[in-house]
Amino acid sequence: SQQGEEDPQALSIQEGENATMNCSYKTSINNLQWYRQNSGRGLVHLILIRSNEREKHSGRLRVTLDTSKKSSSLLITASRAADTASYFCAGGSGAGSYQLTFGKGTKLSVIP
Amino acid sequence: EPEVTQTPSHQVTQMGQEVILRCVPISNHLYFYWYRQILGQKVEFLVSFYNNEISEKSEIFDDQFSVERPDGSNFTLKIRSTKLEDSAMYFCASSDAARASYEQYFGPGTRLTVT
Repeated sequence: SQQGEEDPQALSIQEGENATMNCSYKTSINNLQWYRQNSGRGLVHLILIRSNEREKHSGRLRVTLDTSKKSSSLLITASRAADTASYFCAGGSGAGSYQLTFGKGTKLSVIP
Repeated sequence: EPEVTQTPSHQVTQMGQEVILRCVPISNHLYFYWYRQILGQKVEFLVSFYNNEISEKSEIFDDQFSVERPDGSNFTLKIRSTKLEDSAMYFCASSDAARASYEQYFGPGTRLTVT
């Protein structure tokens, strides 16, 4: 089964605008995490939301989780050129398993 | 801030050769992982390691792969006989899952090129 299918695949916005990325998953999760990857670099953990949470904030990031729709969204407010990166969601099933299943990611370009 | 480190950053090897990718996880973390990302594709889970043994592995992690924690700080991934399709970015990650903290912290990756 697949977890973490993001849309859109690519998003281009002007600096200062908000960016919203969506993620859908197919099997049950214990937690869902969002990561950022700058081109050719490692993955940076952004935020984790647990299955019993509906919304979480961290600085300019807002994550929502709708377990009934098996979907999550990541909102970056007041985007900056430095936010240009690929963003991935990754589902963790818990229940003694810690592996993450990643989606293909959304490539965000923030134009100065 | 503590971070996961990986060496080398880039490894070029010939098909059939053995390679060892090295990682130093965050010091107080107890769970360690390897993932790979073939160019343009998803990040894929390979293996997780806890208490000196493999706790989970994916279908990708076949007999050509092995992991080891040779000392108190290093965590290695060995590919015994590399194939062209092993060319990918390999990421090591660690987590403090013992505190039920599921966040995984990734290293910068090793780009493996098999020719």
